[in-house]
Amino acid sequence: EAGVAQSPRYKIIEKRQSVAFWCNPISGHATLYWYQQILGQGPKLLIQFQNNGVVDDSQLPKDRFSAERLKGVDSTLKIQPAKLEDSAVYLCASSIQGSYTFGSGTRLTVV
Amino acid sequence: AQSVTQLGSHVSVSEGALVLLRCNYSSSVPPYLFWYVQYPNQGLQLLLKYTSAATLVKGINGFEAEFKKSETSFHLTKPSAHMSDAAEYFCAVSADSSASKIIFGSGTRLSIRP
Repeated sequence: EAGVAQSPRYKIIEKRQSVAFWCNPISGHATLYWYQQILGQGPKLLIQFQNNGVVDDSQLPKDRFSAERLKGVDSTLKIQPAKLEDSAVYLCASSIQGSYTFGSGTRLTVV
Repeated sequence: AQSVTQLGSHVSVSEGALVLLRCNYSSSVPPYLFWYVQYPNQGLQLLLKYTSAATLVKGINGFEAEFKKSETSFHLTKPSAHMSDAAEYFCAVSADSSASKIIFGSGTRLSIRP
């Protein structure tokens, strides 16, 4: 079974620029998550989708972050404009019946 | 609200020695508890999970964890450390068995000395 695919693996941008991350979950997994993992910390949930609907986005900084999951499959997470404190690894995960699979993440560095 | 606290951001043990990674939880409802491992530049991999069945849970790679309600703990152990165990370990809690929302601890980095 293919895993959760994420791209790009690494991204370096200047502050105030915009960036987008892409995630392709495991086929058949209705639930998709985006986590932010800052160096030295555990992953923090940003947004949870069930099919193409948002279940929880309470931790998403909506003034600069946005996410969508068109057609209930792939998802994109966007940051505009980026701040220095957004430097982190962005992990995508999908789940079915309580079983999570995580992607390898996108490491974002904002300079 | 659920939360977990991992005691010790860095643990170092000798190869062949006992591994003990500590996790305490806080939950207003019976929790479901998890341990995940993260190798460098990789995603998180589930080691084991507790879902209110047996209090001693066995996972992959020889790891196990014991749920102790009286101590609100879910410590991870392995009798004999191997060099390949070097990684970051995360304890996590969820309010339900479907793990619809997992809250992670801050992680413990495990180093293995030759």
